[in-house]
Amino acid sequence: TQLLEQSPQFLSIQEGENLTVYCNSSSVFSSLQWYRQEPGEGPVLLVTVVTGGEVKKLKRLTFQFGDARKDSSLHITAAQPGDTGLYLCAGDKSGGSNYKLTFGKGTLLTVNP
Amino acid sequence: DVKVTQSSRYLVKRTGEKVFLECVQDMDHENMFWYRQDPGLGLRLIYFSYDVKMKEKGDIPEGYSVSREKKERFSLILESASTNQTSMYLCASSLGGQALNIQYFGAGTRLSVL
Repeated sequence: TQLLEQSPQFLSIQEGENLTVYCNSSSVFSSLQWYRQEPGEGPVLLVTVVTGGEVKKLKRLTFQFGDARKDSSLHITAAQPGDTGLYLCAGDKSGGSNYKLTFGKGTLLTVNP
Repeated sequence: DVKVTQSSRYLVKRTGEKVFLECVQDMDHENMFWYRQDPGLGLRLIYFSYDVKMKEKGDIPEGYSVSREKKERFSLILESASTNQTSMYLCASSLGGQALNIQYFGAGTRLSVL
């Protein structure tokens, strides 16, 4: 059972367009992280959200944690080719035991010049 | 900055060989993890360790073993490599305790078993 569903799985857009990626679950998470992974590299942390309803901004990227802490979204404004990569969400159900994260399968974003 | 270093970026091995993948972290993290990443399957946890000499199986431990003799080093061992173990292997570490559960990843090792 895939506990974290990401959509869409693939997204190809033109430079300058806006996009939203979704991460959904029926489970409650104590925190949720977004990572970006470039080809041939490991995932790099973008943001962690902890509080239900929380919104965090990182330049042109806006992250939101659902009120019930079961879902999250990533919105990119005016996408650029440098945003190309695999976006992964990961949820922490442990609430402090600090072991495993639950990962979504990712959204592969291509931004064409 | 946290640094997680994987010893090799690319490895090519033959079926039946014993393969060692090494991972070192420099931030005194308690927890270390080994994942494999395959297209369409996402990240799958192989093993993790929450302390020196302590290990627990993840979701797909078959065909793998691990070793953690020192806090900073976590090794993944393929006792007898098979072609279905061709994959991207990612090591990660996290602080542990009551800190936020954030994992920091190495750059990955792309293993090909021929």
